[in-house]
Amino acid sequence: AQKVTQAQTEISVVEKEDVTLDCVYETRDTTYYLFWYKQPPSGELVFLIRRNSFDEQNEISGRYSWNFQKSTSSFNFTITASQVVDSAVYFCALSEAKDNDMRFGAGTRLTVKP
Amino acid sequence: SAVISQKPSRDICQRGTSLTIQCQVDSQVTMMFWYRQQPGQSLTLIATANQGSEATYESGFVIDKFPISRPNLTFSTLTVSNMSPEDSSIYLCSAWRLGGNEQFFGPGTRLTVL
Repeated sequence: AQKVTQAQTEISVVEKEDVTLDCVYETRDTTYYLFWYKQPPSGELVFLIRRNSFDEQNEISGRYSWNFQKSTSSFNFTITASQVVDSAVYFCALSEAKDNDMRFGAGTRLTVKP
Repeated sequence: SAVISQKPSRDICQRGTSLTIQCQVDSQVTMMFWYRQQPGQSLTLIATANQGSEATYESGFVIDKFPISRPNLTFSTLTVSNMSPEDSSIYLCSAWRLGGNEQFFGPGTRLTVL
């Protein structure tokens, strides 16, 4: 069975600080996909990244970076020089290739204070 | 990418009534999913809706309570039947296109049951 754990329920930082959101997953499949979504106060889900299980290369997109480590079953998300607009709930999710349905972690509420 | 719309965007309903939520995708997709997000919680998969077959429900969700239709490759409906206040949630539709890179989400339907 697939499972996603986001141990950090809430994080609060001051603007311009770096922050890392942790995500640990469990799956028996060798082919799977990992995702991060952002849910701002307006409620819509904003897609941030998809990573497949065969690609462990870390990715950077502007102030966002992701660290995928199969050895520790982790897919952590770092925001560099955080901004107030980064305040949102961030969800990590896992999808196994065989059925494509997505299992979400509990989410981490990030508050960035000015 | 795909654009997903949902109707209604929100509704307030009386206990014991039913509400049908519509999900429209702007392009043909292979798989569509319905999720529930209870207040302050993460997303939970209700069911997978594939065109031409019955929906597949997750543990804890039954067809009598959440009947789903998928008449074609761009449209699906979810009905929340015999509603109670515990059904107050955001219901989200999502879609995955075969070979695509992300699972797209609709804006959600915010349901309040009195």
